[in-house]
Amino acid sequence: EAQVTQNPRYLITVTGKKLTVTCSQNMNHEYMSWYRQDPGLGLRQIYYSMNVEVTDKGDVPEGYKVSRKEKRNFPLILESPSPNQTSLYFCASSLRPGGTEAFFGQGTRLTVV
Amino acid sequence: LAKTTQPISMDSYEGQEVNITCSHNNIATNDYITWYQQFPSQGPRFIIQGYKTKVTNEVASLFIPADRKSSTLSLPRVSLSDTAVYYCLVGGGNTGGFKTIFGAGTRLFVKA
Repeated sequence: EAQVTQNPRYLITVTGKKLTVTCSQNMNHEYMSWYRQDPGLGLRQIYYSMNVEVTDKGDVPEGYKVSRKEKRNFPLILESPSPNQTSLYFCASSLRPGGTEAFFGQGTRLTVV
Repeated sequence: LAKTTQPISMDSYEGQEVNITCSHNNIATNDYITWYQQFPSQGPRFIIQGYKTKVTNEVASLFIPADRKSSTLSLPRVSLSDTAVYYCLVGGGNTGGFKTIFGAGTRLFVKA
């Protein structure tokens, strides 16, 4: 079954404690993205990757890092989380960029206290 | 990237056909038009995609006029479970960059 898997689904952490949210896809897609969704602000792209070792900033990259060492994996790293990064995060993958036929993960609800 | 404009919300009743129109005046020549559905606390789900004219699949139809400056998602005979937010996106044509921008979406509320 084609899917994008994110882990964990829920996470509560403290300010400043580094964390990683994993994302894996089994469709051999080249394009992967991370989004955050906040009430009233909709879905905003954090980072995206066109292929292995190729990543670029989306609209809200501050405070986040990503890596793409393998085609299937695209982890999101928060080196020093802050309360304003409390949000619902989604990973997505697709054959092409620009939001075309993307598969989204189930989401990770992160709370930073 | 071409910006999209959709109605903020729409109401309908079960069994009715719902048409949601999206405006994208600055769509690039090679861009596709893609629609997603999102339920609360879930990731968006791909519904349909098109380039021009009409596309139909098992859940929806997408109508695109010749000038491609707008598109209409048509949901036949909606049910309560179609209550969700619907997003229209344009892109993927490699001329508008590689970012993806979601607009505010249209919140559809289906009543019994």
